[in-house]
Amino acid sequence: QKEVEQDPGPLSVPEGAIVSLNCTYSNSAFQYFMWYRQYSRKGPELLMYTYSSGNKEDGRFTAQVDKSSKYISLFIRDSQPSDSATYLCAMSARSTLTFGKGTMLLVSP
Amino acid sequence: NAGVTQTPKFRVLKTGQSMTLLCAQDMNHEYMYWYRQDPGMGLRLIHYSVGEGTTAKGEVPDGYNVSRLKKQNFLLGLESAAPSQTSVYFCASSEVGAKNIQYFGAGTRLSVL
Repeated sequence: QKEVEQDPGPLSVPEGAIVSLNCTYSNSAFQYFMWYRQYSRKGPELLMYTYSSGNKEDGRFTAQVDKSSKYISLFIRDSQPSDSATYLCAMSARSTLTFGKGTMLLVSP
Repeated sequence: NAGVTQTPKFRVLKTGQSMTLLCAQDMNHEYMYWYRQDPGMGLRLIHYSVGEGTTAKGEVPDGYNVSRLKKQNFLLGLESAAPSQTSVYFCASSEVGAKNIQYFGAGTRLSVL
């Protein structure tokens, strides 16, 4: 079993839809949970991070962590074509991050 | 602030040739990382460094060497390139701490023929 599992997609939605992106993990030692966004032919950039269980909101984006289920989610409200990208979850343990393989999101106008 | 800068941006090599990829960061970060990204494989850690003069192996270190002679620079070397090393290479850096938020460069696209 991989430490972090993430559906690769692609996930296609119409503009304005609510998007839900998810990852599951197996390592209980993970403390910080992050979401990165990667546009085509660019480097990943940090969107949000959370510590432990709970929700964190930043504009149209909400990150949710459920440590009891080892499940994290990223919700995007009122999705825009500019949100079309690959979204990678990442989890921190000591000095390295463990990444999911990324979910490709396509938002059509 | 430039952040994390990678050079070169593109390179084509012939099998058996050698090259060095350079990563420079201006954020005074202690930790630096080299990843490769391949379709369907996600980001895989090659080597990393937790401070000047230190290096450690990641998930896929074979065929690569690294050096961290200065805090701001992290070099990735390919001594004898193979077609299997065709990939996009990303460098990242982060501060010390459990949070380990990593900041990435724009990537180097390498083709080995």
